Amino acid sequence: AQKITQTQPGMFVQEKEAVTLDCTYDTSDPSYGLFWYKQPSSGEMIFLIYQGSYDQQNATEGRYSLNFQKARKSANLVISASQLGDSAMYFCAMREGPQWGQAGTALIFGKGTTLSVSS
Amino acid sequence: DAGITQSPRHKVTETGTPVTLRCHQTENHRYMYWYRQDPGHGLRLIHYSYGVKDTDKGEVSDGYSVSRSKTEDFLLTLESATSSQTSVYFCAISEEGGPLDTQYFGPGTRLTVL
Repeated sequence: AQKITQTQPGMFVQEKEAVTLDCTYDTSDPSYGLFWYKQPSSGEMIFLIYQGSYDQQNATEGRYSLNFQKARKSANLVISASQLGDSAMYFCAMREGPQWGQAGTALIFGKGTTLSVSS
Repeated sequence: DAGITQSPRHKVTETGTPVTLRCHQTENHRYMYWYRQDPGHGLRLIHYSYGVKDTDKGEVSDGYSVSRSKTEDFLLTLESATSSQTSVYFCAISEEGGPLDTQYFGPGTRLTVL
């Protein structure tokens, strides 16, 4: 079973509108982190926002917010007031496992959602 | 800016040749990672390091080796490149190894194996 599922291959939105990108995850670990990254056409991976499994409140970073519904295992990214520069591929990712210790934990990525913003 | 550089940024090579990709960081982060990105697969972990000379395998480690002789450098080697290793390779760093710490990525290296 996939650990991270992004069901929307592509999303289209007009400038200044809000958009929600869906992400569901699957883990049995109590400690996990959920991350969103943006990949514009230039190719770099840009960190946007993070939500820890113990966080009580939804994370926000400027125009980005993460709608964290733990019981439903969803971590949707909300972009308010879309801009043309938001056109990119967006990846949801998760890290799971022991919070301490020497071993590192990989980011597990979904397959991404392409967001297109039009004027 | 997480102070991560990758070299080369683009490389075309032939099947059977050895290839080494370099990741360099300037902020002394303990953990470094190599991922590959392929269409339809997202990013997948190849190897990671949790200190000088301390490395471990990831999900797709076959055909790759790594070395870390200095904190700032993490090398990925394809001993004998194959066409299936054509991909975009990303290096990442994090301060901690646990699940609650953010990984930051370098700019990527596009490798084509003919």
